[in-house]
Amino acid sequence: DIVMTQTPLSSPVTLGQPASISCRSSQGLVHSDGNTYLSWLQQRPGQPPRLLIYKISNRFSGVPDRFSGSGAGTDFTLKISRVEAEDVGVYYCVQATQFPRTFGQGTKVEVK
Amino acid sequence: EVQLLESGGGLVQPGGSLRLSCAASGFTFSNFAMSWVRQAPGKGLEWVSGISGSDSGTYYADSVKGRFTISRDNSKNTLYLQMNSLRAEDTAVYFCATDYGSYLPQLAYWGQGTLVTVSS
Repeated sequence: DIVMTQTPLSSPVTLGQPASISCRSSQGLVHSDGNTYLSWLQQRPGQPPRLLIYKISNRFSGVPDRFSGSGAGTDFTLKISRVEAEDVGVYYCVQATQFPRTFGQGTKVEVK
Repeated sequence: EVQLLESGGGLVQPGGSLRLSCAASGFTFSNFAMSWVRQAPGKGLEWVSGISGSDSGTYYADSVKGRFTISRDNSKNTLYLQMNSLRAEDTAVYFCATDYGSYLPQLAYWGQGTLVTVSS
């Protein structure tokens, strides 16, 4: 199984400041169709997960443009350009290149 | 509007069984694989099982293989998870989610979840 490792596990941020989360996979995530199925999910307190970014850098419908994804190979990054109060929650990377799907441990973003 | 509504959770004794359902609407259900993902209290997300749109392929996490069975009824737009030989460590909120398909990215939509508690 592919192991997904996120850093940091906790990220205290000041509102209006940027935040960055890293995700590393134990092996490459390029699918046989040429796509890299690395996504980022946001989970606000008491809510189900919500898709933010798919295929490394594509924002899903309705996701603000302050969220961006990048990376290649085995190293990926989620960036929030200016953290807003509604961004508080836990962020997960997940690979959907193969079964079983595997998630990172989650990174808790909280306001300082 | 895509909607996924899970049901069937509850309290069950160790060794018991439960069947979860996920009613889907707002998209062409048969065109999409589906997954079950669970979250133990205070913990992260764990993928449990997946099924292709045509029901021709099923996939399981090692932790549930041989105990859980995923299935779907495309005529009813409903996904199922039959859970047998339940253990305390299966206690979690179970979410269904859309997986790969024709016009949506994987894990695009999620239900609100249903709580399964395994305890004597």
